[in-house]
Amino acid sequence: GAVVSQHPSWVICKSGTSVKIECRSLDFQATTMFWYRQFPKQSLMLMATSNEGSKATYEQGVEKDKFLINHASLTLSTLTVTSAHPEDSSFYICSAPARMEETQYFGPGTRLLVL
Amino acid sequence: AQSVTQLDSHVSVSEGTPVLLRCNYSSSYSPSLFWYVQHPNKGLQLLLKYTSAATLVKGINGFEAEFKKSETSFHLTKPSAHMSDAAEYFCVVSEGTGGYNKLIFGAGTRLAVHP
Repeated sequence: GAVVSQHPSWVICKSGTSVKIECRSLDFQATTMFWYRQFPKQSLMLMATSNEGSKATYEQGVEKDKFLINHASLTLSTLTVTSAHPEDSSFYICSAPARMEETQYFGPGTRLLVL
Repeated sequence: AQSVTQLDSHVSVSEGTPVLLRCNYSSSYSPSLFWYVQHPNKGLQLLLKYTSAATLVKGINGFEAEFKKSETSFHLTKPSAHMSDAAEYFCVVSEGTGGYNKLIFGAGTRLAVHP
Protein backbone atom coordinates (compact mmCIF):
# COMPACT_ATOMS: atom_id res chain seq x y z
CA GLY A 1 0.00 0.00 0.00
CA ALA A 2 0.84 3.66 -0.15
CA VAL A 3 3.26 5.12 2.37
CA VAL A 4 3.02 8.41 4.21
CA SER A 5 5.90 9.66 6.32
CA GLN A 6 6.17 12.38 8.92
CA HIS A 7 9.15 14.26 10.21
CA PRO A 8 10.13 14.64 12.93
CA SER A 9 8.69 11.71 14.83
CA TRP A 10 8.95 13.65 18.05
CA VAL A 11 9.98 17.13 19.07
CA ILE A 12 10.45 19.01 22.32
CA CYS A 13 10.45 22.78 22.23
CA LYS A 14 10.27 25.76 24.54
CA SER A 15 7.09 27.73 24.97
CA GLY A 16 6.85 30.56 22.47
CA THR A 17 8.83 28.91 19.71
CA SER A 18 7.50 27.60 16.42
CA VAL A 19 7.65 24.01 15.26
CA LYS A 20 7.31 22.68 11.71
CA ILE A 21 6.03 19.18 11.00
CA GLU A 22 6.35 17.64 7.56
CA CYS A 23 4.02 15.12 5.95
CA ARG A 24 5.16 13.38 2.78
CA SER A 25 3.50 10.92 0.45
CA LEU A 26 6.39 8.70 -0.58
CA ASP A 27 5.10 6.74 -3.55
CA PHE A 28 2.07 8.64 -4.72
CA GLN A 29 0.88 12.17 -5.31
CA ALA A 30 -1.55 13.74 -2.90
CA THR A 31 -3.43 16.88 -3.87
CA THR A 32 -5.16 16.71 -0.51
CA MET A 33 -3.81 15.87 2.90
CA PHE A 34 -5.49 15.93 6.28
CA TRP A 35 -4.07 16.96 9.63
CA TYR A 36 -5.33 15.47 12.88
CA ARG A 37 -4.54 16.01 16.53
CA GLN A 38 -4.77 13.29 19.15
CA PHE A 39 -4.55 14.07 22.85
CA PRO A 40 -3.49 11.29 25.22
CA LYS A 41 -6.03 8.51 25.48
CA GLN A 42 -8.39 10.35 23.15
CA SER A 43 -9.51 9.99 19.59
CA LEU A 44 -8.27 11.77 16.51
CA MET A 45 -9.77 15.15 15.76
CA LEU A 46 -9.53 16.61 12.29
CA MET A 47 -7.81 19.98 12.36
CA ALA A 48 -7.63 20.98 8.74
CA THR A 49 -7.62 19.89 5.13
CA SER A 50 -4.52 20.79 3.19
CA ASN A 51 -4.96 21.46 -0.52
CA GLU A 52 -2.08 21.66 -2.98
CA GLY A 53 -1.85 25.09 -4.51
CA SER A 54 -4.59 26.66 -2.43
CA LYS A 55 -5.44 27.64 1.12
CA ALA A 56 -6.10 25.05 3.74
CA THR A 57 -9.58 24.52 5.12
CA TYR A 58 -9.74 24.59 8.90
CA GLU A 59 -12.25 22.89 11.14
CA GLN A 60 -14.33 24.94 13.50
CA GLY A 61 -12.39 26.02 16.54
CA VAL A 62 -8.94 25.55 15.00
CA GLU A 63 -6.93 28.78 14.83
CA LYS A 64 -5.57 29.14 11.33
CA ASP A 65 -3.01 31.74 12.41
CA LYS A 66 -1.63 29.41 15.02
CA PHE A 67 -1.56 26.26 12.90
CA LEU A 68 -0.12 27.28 9.57
CA ILE A 69 -0.48 24.77 6.76
CA ASN A 70 1.41 24.86 3.51
CA HIS A 71 0.89 22.31 0.73
CA ALA A 72 3.68 23.34 -1.59
CA SER A 73 3.90 20.26 -3.75
CA LEU A 74 2.01 17.12 -4.63
CA THR A 75 3.97 15.11 -2.08
CA LEU A 76 4.53 17.50 0.81
CA SER A 77 2.36 19.30 3.33
CA THR A 78 3.70 21.11 6.36
CA LEU A 79 2.05 22.09 9.62
CA THR A 80 3.70 24.85 11.61
CA VAL A 81 2.65 25.35 15.20
CA THR A 82 3.43 29.00 15.85
CA SER A 83 4.21 30.38 19.29
CA ALA A 84 3.68 26.97 20.81
CA HIS A 85 2.34 26.66 24.34
CA PRO A 86 2.17 23.65 26.65
CA GLU A 87 -1.49 23.08 25.76
CA ASP A 88 -0.38 22.46 22.16
CA SER A 89 1.46 19.36 23.30
CA SER A 90 -0.16 16.52 21.44
CA PHE A 91 0.24 13.82 18.83
CA TYR A 92 -0.14 15.25 15.33
CA ILE A 93 -1.03 12.87 12.52
CA CYS A 94 -1.42 13.46 8.83
CA SER A 95 -3.17 11.39 6.20
CA ALA A 96 -3.45 11.37 2.44
CA PRO A 97 -5.83 9.64 0.08
CA ALA A 98 -4.23 7.76 -2.77
CA ARG A 99 -5.85 8.61 -6.07
CA MET A 100 -8.58 6.20 -7.23
CA GLU A 101 -8.68 4.56 -3.81
CA GLU A 102 -11.33 4.95 -1.17
CA THR A 103 -8.80 4.93 1.64
CA GLN A 104 -6.64 7.41 3.45
CA TYR A 105 -3.13 6.43 4.39
CA PHE A 106 -1.86 7.73 7.69
CA GLY A 107 1.56 8.90 8.69
CA PRO A 108 3.19 7.53 11.85
CA GLY A 109 2.53 10.75 13.74
CA THR A 110 4.63 13.43 15.40
CA ARG A 111 4.65 13.79 19.14
CA LEU A 112 5.06 17.39 20.24
CA LEU A 113 5.96 18.37 23.77
CA VAL A 114 6.04 22.06 24.62
CA LEU A 115 7.82 22.94 27.84
CA ALA B 1 -24.06 15.02 10.02
CA GLN B 2 -22.05 11.89 10.52
CA SER B 3 -21.10 10.50 13.89
CA VAL B 4 -19.84 7.24 15.27
CA THR B 5 -20.18 5.72 18.73
CA GLN B 6 -17.95 2.99 20.03
CA LEU B 7 -19.91 1.38 22.77
CA ASP B 8 -16.99 0.09 24.84
CA SER B 9 -13.95 2.10 25.84
CA HIS B 10 -12.14 -1.03 27.05
CA VAL B 11 -12.51 -4.68 26.13
CA SER B 12 -10.54 -7.46 27.74
CA VAL B 13 -10.39 -11.00 26.38
CA SER B 14 -8.32 -14.09 26.88
CA GLU B 15 -6.02 -15.29 24.13
CA GLY B 16 -7.84 -17.68 21.83
CA THR B 17 -11.32 -16.36 22.64
CA PRO B 18 -13.51 -14.31 20.30
CA VAL B 19 -13.27 -10.56 20.01
CA LEU B 20 -16.24 -8.23 19.57
CA LEU B 21 -15.78 -4.47 19.33
CA ARG B 22 -19.03 -2.60 18.91
CA CYS B 23 -19.68 0.44 16.75
CA ASN B 24 -22.83 2.33 15.85
CA TYR B 25 -22.95 5.10 13.31
CA SER B 26 -25.18 7.94 12.28
CA SER B 27 -25.15 9.19 8.72
CA SER B 28 -27.36 11.14 6.39
CA TYR B 29 -25.79 9.47 3.40
CA SER B 30 -24.82 5.98 2.44
CA PRO B 31 -21.70 5.88 4.57
CA SER B 32 -18.29 4.46 4.08
CA LEU B 33 -17.14 2.80 7.27
CA PHE B 34 -13.69 1.77 8.39
CA TRP B 35 -11.90 0.12 11.25
CA TYR B 36 -8.37 1.27 12.01
CA VAL B 37 -5.95 -0.12 14.59
CA GLN B 38 -3.32 1.88 16.42
CA HIS B 39 -0.52 0.10 18.23
CA PRO B 40 1.42 2.05 20.86
CA ASN B 41 3.68 4.65 19.30
CA LYS B 42 2.77 3.54 15.81
CA GLY B 43 0.67 4.91 13.01
CA LEU B 44 -2.87 3.96 12.17
CA GLN B 45 -3.34 0.84 10.11
CA LEU B 46 -6.46 0.09 8.10
CA LEU B 47 -8.08 -3.20 9.12
CA LEU B 48 -11.01 -3.15 6.77
CA LYS B 49 -13.50 -0.91 5.01
CA TYR B 50 -17.12 -0.97 3.86
CA THR B 51 -18.02 1.06 0.79
CA SER B 52 -21.50 -0.15 -0.24
CA ALA B 53 -20.43 -3.50 -1.62
CA ALA B 54 -20.75 -6.73 0.38
CA THR B 55 -22.13 -6.16 3.87
CA LEU B 56 -19.73 -8.67 5.42
CA VAL B 57 -16.27 -7.27 5.08
CA LYS B 58 -13.13 -9.28 5.67
CA GLY B 59 -9.99 -7.51 6.68
CA ILE B 60 -6.44 -8.24 7.63
CA ASN B 61 -5.27 -10.43 10.50
CA GLY B 62 -8.51 -12.41 10.64
CA PHE B 63 -10.77 -9.48 11.45
CA GLU B 64 -14.14 -8.96 9.86
CA ALA B 65 -17.09 -6.62 10.26
CA GLU B 66 -20.71 -6.69 9.21
CA PHE B 67 -22.57 -3.62 8.02
CA LYS B 68 -26.15 -3.70 9.31
CA LYS B 69 -28.14 -0.78 8.01
CA SER B 70 -31.25 -1.60 10.03
CA GLU B 71 -29.22 -1.48 13.22
CA THR B 72 -26.82 1.26 12.06
CA SER B 73 -24.01 -0.92 13.30
CA PHE B 74 -20.59 -1.98 12.07
CA HIS B 75 -19.21 -4.28 14.75
CA LEU B 76 -15.70 -5.71 14.44
CA THR B 77 -15.11 -9.37 15.22
CA LYS B 78 -12.34 -11.92 15.26
CA PRO B 79 -12.83 -15.60 16.09
CA SER B 80 -9.67 -16.03 18.14
CA ALA B 81 -7.66 -13.28 19.78
CA HIS B 82 -3.88 -13.16 19.67
CA MET B 83 -1.64 -11.33 22.09
CA SER B 84 -0.53 -9.14 19.20
CA ASP B 85 -4.09 -7.86 18.78
CA ALA B 86 -3.77 -5.74 21.92
CA ALA B 87 -4.12 -2.16 20.67
CA GLU B 88 -6.49 0.76 20.26
CA TYR B 89 -9.22 0.29 17.66
CA PHE B 90 -11.10 3.11 15.96
CA CYS B 91 -14.37 2.89 14.09
CA VAL B 92 -14.51 5.60 11.46
CA VAL B 93 -17.22 6.97 9.19
CA SER B 94 -16.64 8.94 6.04
CA GLU B 95 -18.86 11.67 4.73
CA GLY B 96 -19.02 9.83 1.44
CA THR B 97 -17.25 7.38 -0.76
CA GLY B 98 -13.78 8.16 -1.93
CA GLY B 99 -10.69 8.84 0.07
CA TYR B 100 -10.99 12.61 -0.22
CA ASN B 101 -13.80 12.92 2.29
CA LYS B 102 -13.44 13.86 5.92
CA LEU B 103 -13.16 11.01 8.38
CA ILE B 104 -15.05 11.08 11.67
CA PHE B 105 -13.39 8.96 14.35
CA GLY B 106 -15.04 7.18 17.22
CA ALA B 107 -13.60 7.55 20.68
CA GLY B 108 -11.71 4.29 20.39
CA THR B 109 -11.78 0.92 22.12
CA ARG B 110 -8.72 -0.35 23.89
CA LEU B 111 -8.41 -4.10 23.49
CA ALA B 112 -6.45 -6.03 26.09
CA VAL B 113 -5.58 -9.68 25.46
CA HIS B 114 -4.61 -11.83 28.42
CA PRO B 115 -2.69 -15.11 28.27
